[in-house]
Amino acid sequence: AQSVTQLGSHVSVSEGALVLLRCNYSSSVPPYLFWYVQYPNQGLQLLLKYTTGATLVKGINGFEAEFKKSETSFHLTKPSAHMSDAAEYFCAVSGSDYKLSFGAGTTVTVRA
Amino acid sequence: DTAVSQTPKYLVTQMGNDKSIKCEQNLGHDTMYWYKQDSKKFLKIMFSYNNKELIINETVPNRFSPKSPDKAHLNLHINSLELGDSAVYFCASSQLQTGRSSGNTIYFGEGSWLTVV
Repeated sequence: AQSVTQLGSHVSVSEGALVLLRCNYSSSVPPYLFWYVQYPNQGLQLLLKYTTGATLVKGINGFEAEFKKSETSFHLTKPSAHMSDAAEYFCAVSGSDYKLSFGAGTTVTVRA
Repeated sequence: DTAVSQTPKYLVTQMGNDKSIKCEQNLGHDTMYWYKQDSKKFLKIMFSYNNKELIINETVPNRFSPKSPDKAHLNLHINSLELGDSAVYFCASSQLQTGRSSGNTIYFGEGSWLTVV
């Protein structure tokens, strides 16, 4: 089975500052990794995903993530936070059992 | 057009009642899912159907029964509702089963907020 751990249940950043959300995974096979965002009272929207190939993945809304096999990590970053980035962010991994396993989520608040 | 739509969005009901949540996807996907998000926002898969066939059933109580009349629909029926069933239920779909396809992305609906009182 596979799993993800999101470090930090809550991240607060100033508008314009770097956003860094940490995700570490565990998988017995090469993982497929995803970041989803959930805005208040809405469903989940895919930000980006890593399957194979280039380890730096660019997603929507200026987010990107880097797959580091040696560190079993898939951290999400955005150079400059915007007020609209306030949301819940979920890291997820798909491994050998055909299921998508989600982390516990990280709540991002953006200070003006 | 909404890709994955589910109704109702909000549902408040009493313990012991039976309720259904409907889901439809217009993406032409073969696989549909139900996920449950608890009060701590933890997401866990409940069921997965591929072309109307059940492929994942994650130790969900028998009171929960999914029904897939066709591959575009996956409804969730819940019998004898309990307080602990209060959660947000997300329907989702993907072209193929999760996992081993590089192009496979799961698309989620807007969620159905169920409150049992």
